[in-house]
Amino acid sequence: QVQLVESGGGVVQPGWSLRLSCAASGFTFSSYGMHWFRQAPGKGLEWVAVVRNNGINKYYGDSVKGRFTISRDNSKNTLNLEMNNLRTEDTAVYYCAKDRGTEAYGALNWGQGTLVTVSS
Amino acid sequence: EIVLTQSPATLSLSPGERATLSCGASQSLGSYLAWYQQKPGQAPRLLIYDASNRATGIPARFSGSGSGTDFTLTISSLEPEDFAVYYCQQRSDWPLTFGGGTKVEIK
Repeated sequence: QVQLVESGGGVVQPGWSLRLSCAASGFTFSSYGMHWFRQAPGKGLEWVAVVRNNGINKYYGDSVKGRFTISRDNSKNTLNLEMNNLRTEDTAVYYCAKDRGTEAYGALNWGQGTLVTVSS
Repeated sequence: EIVLTQSPATLSLSPGERATLSCGASQSLGSYLAWYQQKPGQAPRLLIYDASNRATGIPARFSGSGSGTDFTLTISSLEPEDFAVYYCQQRSDWPLTFGGGTKVEIK
């Protein structure tokens, strides 16, 4: 069965960097697009970024463009999110998700999330 | 970016009743709209993709309809496990965006 396990969350100060990872198993990782979503405490869902199955095409939400970088390693079945210049408003649970297709056709499987807290 | 507006914000219903949730878009999406369900403390679950297609394993009581700028999620007869928050999300244009959510609560 599909398993997605996020790691790397924690407490950081504004302006710091953090790298999230997502270990995938139970499916052919290189065949599917992969997303990062987030949810601030008590708030709704926000899409962060997606990377196509080929690892080349990448798209970002407006609030993270230029600060966050999504990447994948198809040889290690791993999805990453490099987050730079973090702001307090980046505080959220970050979910990785497997798309049902090669890019952004619908986030079919989700991990349980990892909490990122940005606070001074 | 495309703005999605969900209504109502809260829907108070009893088990067995029919739930009708709406999602309006600031521009035409074609059929590129999805619905997700989220229960407290859990990750979201994809229910419907491309307006009317049920995702794998989703019960038939969930149905989606609409195109262009107006979409509807219908739960034909609410089961106890259906009380949750529902989000619509568009994939017509970048960036992908979500609506603010509709909470379906027990009356």
